[in-house]
Amino acid sequence: DTGVSQDPRHKITKRGQNVTFRCDPISEHNRLYWYRQTLGQGPEFLTYFQNEAQLEKSRLLSDRFSAERPKGSFSTLEIQRTEQGDSAMYLCASSLAGYWGAFFGQGTRLTVV
Amino acid sequence: AQKVTQAQTEISVVEKEDVTLDCVYETRDTTYYLFWYKQPPSGELVFLIRRNSFDEQNEISGRYSWNFQKSTSSFNFTITASQVVDSAVYFCALSEDQGGTYKYIFGTGTRLKVLA
Repeated sequence: DTGVSQDPRHKITKRGQNVTFRCDPISEHNRLYWYRQTLGQGPEFLTYFQNEAQLEKSRLLSDRFSAERPKGSFSTLEIQRTEQGDSAMYLCASSLAGYWGAFFGQGTRLTVV
Repeated sequence: AQKVTQAQTEISVVEKEDVTLDCVYETRDTTYYLFWYKQPPSGELVFLIRRNSFDEQNEISGRYSWNFQKSTSSFNFTITASQVVDSAVYFCALSEDQGGTYKYIFGTGTRLKVLA
């Protein structure tokens, strides 16, 4: 399968713990995005990378969130000291410059208890 | 500021009926892109179509058709002869022209239920 893959698909964690999600984009795509989707809402943009450079971060991305894309391939999103308000679906997407839109993975559903 | 409004929260139709999903957008950009995505229960957002702001030609692709009207800032999506497999949440999204970078503004989605 050559689509965007995310791991894990589901994560349950206790409040205060750190969690890390991984995203593997479509191999030739140089742009990678992270979005967050809460129940009943559309996805909201968090951040994006062009190759290994993180070019933009939304104000939604608090200091507890950090994203990396070493070597311009896979990306990780870490949330430190999780809060119940972090419970959401975290979606990763990738695109190729000039191509018709971004392609999304199946997401990681985070539940903070 | 950019905004996408999908006023229909949920629509239920009987299989084989036609259904139109509405999308109204706001932007001050002169060049922008509009998209429709489908989100089945599995969670993945499936790309359906993109339109750029200077291409108002409407299109039919199989059972899907799109109606883009800049004069009313609308980008509506129609499914003809709906099927149970069309049941999903459909999102309309707007992206300004950033040279192939897609920072979407999504609407809140319309849940479509197609009943057998």
